Amino acid sequence: DTGVSQDPRHKITKRGQNVTFRCDPISEHNRLYWYRQTLGQGPEFLTYFQNEAQLEKSRLLSDRFSAERPKGSFSTLEIQRTEQGDSAMYLCASSLDVDYGYTFGSGTRLTVV
Amino acid sequence: KQEVTQIPAALSVPEGENLVLNCSFTDSAIYNLQWFRQDPGKGLTSLLLIQSSQREQTSGRLNASLDKSSGRSTLYIAASQPGDSATYLCAVSSGNTGKLIFGQGTTLQVKP
Repeated sequence: DTGVSQDPRHKITKRGQNVTFRCDPISEHNRLYWYRQTLGQGPEFLTYFQNEAQLEKSRLLSDRFSAERPKGSFSTLEIQRTEQGDSAMYLCASSLDVDYGYTFGSGTRLTVV
Repeated sequence: KQEVTQIPAALSVPEGENLVLNCSFTDSAIYNLQWFRQDPGKGLTSLLLIQSSQREQTSGRLNASLDKSSGRSTLYIAASQPGDSATYLCAVSSGNTGKLIFGQGTTLQVKP
C-alpha cells in the first residue's frame, strides 16, 4: 500500500463552478478525515467518516460542501458554486483507530479565480 | 473549546544546534497528541504520537514530551540539519472520533 492518495494535486477553477476531489485511504483504515488548510495556518477539521458513515461535520462545512464515502472505501469532497474564500489546500487523512496515528495525503490545492 | 498554540511561530538556527519547539493546549482532557512535519506545498508527515497516558516518545533525533496536567508538549530536535527545515505542527485529539485540533505551526529554518 502506497499510503493515502489524493486527486487532483492542483485545481484551478472559476468562481461559481463546481469541483470534486477524491481521496483513496489506506485500504485497512476505516476512519477517514477531511481537513482544510489556508496559508500560514494549521489544518482545520471538516468532516469524519467511519466506514461509510459520516459521523461528524464541522460548521465550516457549509451547504455548498458535501462529502461521501460509498462502501467505506474512497471518499469524495464536492464544493458547489465555488467562492474565492474556498481557495485552500484540502487534506485527506486516514487512520486505523483513535489509538493510532494519522496518515495524510499530499493534498489538493484549490485556487478559485 | 480546545485551542492549541505553538511558540515560536518561526525559528532560525545554525546547523548542529539542539532546539525545542513548544505546544500548549487549553483543555487537558486529550486522547493523544501528535507532532507532524509539513514541507512547503506538501501534505503532513507524522513524526511522533504520544498517548495521554505517556510522558514522552522518541524517534531518532526527535523527542517529544507531554505534560497533560499543564497542557504542554515540547518537541526536541537534536543536532539540527538543513534537511530539518520545515513547518512543525502539533495537534491534539480530544474525542473518540479522533478529530485533531492543530496549532498554527512553527516554521523552522536550519542554516548550513
